[in-house]
Amino acid sequence: ETGVTQTPRHLVMGMTNKKSLKCEQHLGHNAMYWYKQSAKKPLELMFVYNFKEQTENNSVPSRFSPECPNSSHLFLHLHTLQPEDSALYLCASSQVTVTNEKLFFGSGTQLSVL
Amino acid sequence: ILNVEQSPQSLHVQEGDSTNFTCSFPSSNFYALHWYRWETAKSPEALFVMTLNGDEKKKGRISATLNTKEGYSYLYIKGSQPEDSATYLCAFRSSGNTGKLIFGQGTTLQVKP
Repeated sequence: ETGVTQTPRHLVMGMTNKKSLKCEQHLGHNAMYWYKQSAKKPLELMFVYNFKEQTENNSVPSRFSPECPNSSHLFLHLHTLQPEDSALYLCASSQVTVTNEKLFFGSGTQLSVL
Repeated sequence: ILNVEQSPQSLHVQEGDSTNFTCSFPSSNFYALHWYRWETAKSPEALFVMTLNGDEKKKGRISATLNTKEGYSYLYIKGSQPEDSATYLCAFRSSGNTGKLIFGQGTTLQVKP
């Protein structure tokens, strides 16, 4: 199994739909992240969870709702999204207690909001 | 506002050419500088994590240097190969910001056979 698995790979949803993105890491890491990649913009941090506790919310609109039930799983619940929310959503994990920690990324979910 | 700038935005080189890119970041409150490689349809993959001024890291034909006092890092690729084609991202972490990496926009490298 790959280290960080994201599902689905592609998602098309209407503005009134509710959907969820799922991320699972098999690396034994204690931190998980959601990043957003919009066209022609840098990777943008959305949320950080350390030991299942949210430690960072980078001013993300409430239509994005994260959930971290345990250190291996991370969800991003989506509701009443806007077309400008169309982007690639990347999940990552890391071991924050290790010096020189690096991020391990999933393959991302390409989201289109119609 | 923390800003991480990368240049050039894109680069086209011939196979066998050597190339380098620049990452600029704030010179205060430095903690770490990361380099990632992102191939099309794959996940970003860590190349280097650098923490000390003057650090030099090497992985095969790819190497990186770090100057924290002036706030820049260089990534070098010696003898580029088509498989080096990817977007190279740098990311800055300031001290006291656990887990918060600020990414640059990336340099997209295309190596022609």
